[in-house]
Amino acid sequence: DQQVKQNSPSLSVQEGRISILNCDYTNSMFDYFLWYKKYPAEGPTFLISISSIKDKNEDGRFTVFLNKSAKHLSLHIVPSQPGDSAVYFCAASAGNEKLTFGTGTRLTIIP
Amino acid sequence: GAVVSQHPSRVICKSGTSVKIECRSLDFQATTMFWYRQFPKKSLMLMATSNEGSKATYEQGVEKDKFLINHASLTLSTLTVTSAHPEDSSFYICSASKDSNEKLFFGSGTQLSVL
Repeated sequence: DQQVKQNSPSLSVQEGRISILNCDYTNSMFDYFLWYKKYPAEGPTFLISISSIKDKNEDGRFTVFLNKSAKHLSLHIVPSQPGDSAVYFCAASAGNEKLTFGTGTRLTIIP
Repeated sequence: GAVVSQHPSRVICKSGTSVKIECRSLDFQATTMFWYRQFPKKSLMLMATSNEGSKATYEQGVEKDKFLINHASLTLSTLTVTSAHPEDSSFYICSASKDSNEKLFFGSGTQLSVL
């Protein structure tokens, strides 16, 4: 049972445009959400997070939106840059529980 | 920011040998460390959770005797793949947290290839 879902395995976006990565979850107990970025043969690096008490968190070019009623979060990257090409994982946790990861979305930025 | 060092980054070994992977938190004390395995095109799979000074908690389906985890100090956790076989070839990643519900800091991963 996949509690965290990233339904788009891949996404291609023109450089300079906005990249929107989506993530859905089923566990209503999740209260902390994170996005990780992963380059090939490297471990994932933390990108941005959001607590369930917020609906938006912004850090530079990256913004995460949380819609609790829809159990949906999204990561917006604007403007997209070639270096943003990577696999992006969303993850969620409930209290002190371990992180549950989505399956990832491969983002390709087209120059 | 916090740094987690994972060593080695890449290892090739013969079938039947054991391989030890180290995960160190360089500038903080990690109360909890996690070990993950990543399969191609799949998400990270949590293998086990280790807390300093206590036995690791393994996820269902992970063989405790094959994947030995030792969290001897607040800055070091090791994963030993015993009697490695080709099907153990994978990318192994550790992560550490300062306290619960804190974001995780990931190591750079270890690419294990068993011949």
